[in-house]
Amino acid sequence: EVQLVESGGGLVQPGRSLRLSCTASGFTFGDYAMSWVRQAPGKGLEWVGFIRSKAYGGTTEYAASVKGRFTISRDDSKSIAYLQMNSLKTEDTAVYYCTRPIAVAGNDYWGQGTLVTVSS
Amino acid sequence: DIQMTQSPSSLSASVGDRVTITCRASQGISNYLAWYQQKPGKVPKLLIYAASTLQSGVPSRFSGSGSGTDFTLTISSLQPEDVATYYCQKYNSAPYTFGQGTKVEIK
Repeated sequence: EVQLVESGGGLVQPGRSLRLSCTASGFTFGDYAMSWVRQAPGKGLEWVGFIRSKAYGGTTEYAASVKGRFTISRDDSKSIAYLQMNSLKTEDTAVYYCTRPIAVAGNDYWGQGTLVTVSS
Repeated sequence: DIQMTQSPSSLSASVGDRVTITCRASQGISNYLAWYQQKPGKVPKLLIYAASTLQSGVPSRFSGSGSGTDFTLTISSLQPEDVATYYCQKYNSAPYTFGQGTKVEIK
């Protein structure tokens, strides 16, 4: 059974950093891209970014709203994807979901999400 | 960047009604379009991918159509358990933008 479990959320002050983790199981992690999607309280879904598998260079893509502040990385030996968030803003407050994107099929699996609150 | 626009933003329909939600891309995206259902307080769930392919386990009353810039999600007979917000998402190239969502309620 495919499982994605996010961790690392919490309360952080504006301007500070936070790293989220997504621990995967039930599939060959290294064969897949991994993605992050967020949802601000009461708002819609916002794509944050993704990282390709090593077979496709392990390169990353980001939404304009987070580019230059957020970094996605992966540790295939541990089946973990990371979202490093720097220079956090109050508007980054959201539930952050880890997803497994399929090139021809969208995001087929989602984690339960972890809440990040940016506030002083 | 390509924008994704859903309509309507919300709708209210009776049980058994046929419900249609549209999603329009500002540029052509072929059939790289997915639909998700998010029930209140729950995680989004993939319903349809490649514009018209039903994800495994999704009831057959859901269907999708379209290609290029105009797409449609149809619920053939609305059920109480279909109360949710529905989102489209493009995935032909980054950024993989979502539509703003359509909230479906029972009248």
